[in-house]
Amino acid sequence: KQEVTQIPAALSVPEGENLVLNCSFTDSAIYNLQWFRQDPGKGLTSLLLIQSSQREQTSGRLNASLDKSSGRSTLYIAASQPGDSATYLCAVNDYKLSFGAGTTVTVRA
Amino acid sequence: GAVVSQHPSRVICKSGTSVKIECRSLDFQATTMFWYRQFPKKSLMLMATSNEGSKATYEQGVEKDKFLINHASLTLSTLTVTSAHPEDSSFYICSARPADAGGAFFGQGTRLTVV
Repeated sequence: KQEVTQIPAALSVPEGENLVLNCSFTDSAIYNLQWFRQDPGKGLTSLLLIQSSQREQTSGRLNASLDKSSGRSTLYIAASQPGDSATYLCAVNDYKLSFGAGTTVTVRA
Repeated sequence: GAVVSQHPSRVICKSGTSVKIECRSLDFQATTMFWYRQFPKKSLMLMATSNEGSKATYEQGVEKDKFLINHASLTLSTLTVTSAHPEDSSFYICSARPADAGGAFFGQGTRLTVV
């Protein structure tokens, strides 16, 4: 059974600082990995999708890396802004999507 | 990007009644749809996987008679919470996967409150 762990559970940083969010998973036989953003009481917004054959994906200030062999992915958010405050979830796709518990980010103005 | 519409976004119902939640893929055909439940400050828990035209596959511990799933077409799946109880109050989210696999697309979720 796939187990997905996200560390840290919560993170508070001043505006402008770079964010590093970690995700680890136990079974490396995956199709892809996705990072999502969730605002309180809202649904999920997909941020980045990394296929199992890729090492990283970038979109604007976001960069996600994937090391499938070690079961790790990292989401980097450069120059954080208050609007980046949300919970970030990683999901591993081995046909079913298995989610981590998320990292709740607070960016202080 | 692909759009998944989930309706209603919020619903309050009385104990003992049934509630239906719809999940529609608006611009693609979804051979597979997933239903998740999210408890406060917890991760999303997969409840069941539905494939169009066949019975849903439920995860261990999920009552299939309580959470009825119907994937009637390639663009519509419904989750019916039958005889709802206060402990069924939660945030339910669906996702749909296009036929060409890749990522999954999520609805906005439904906040169910049973009083």
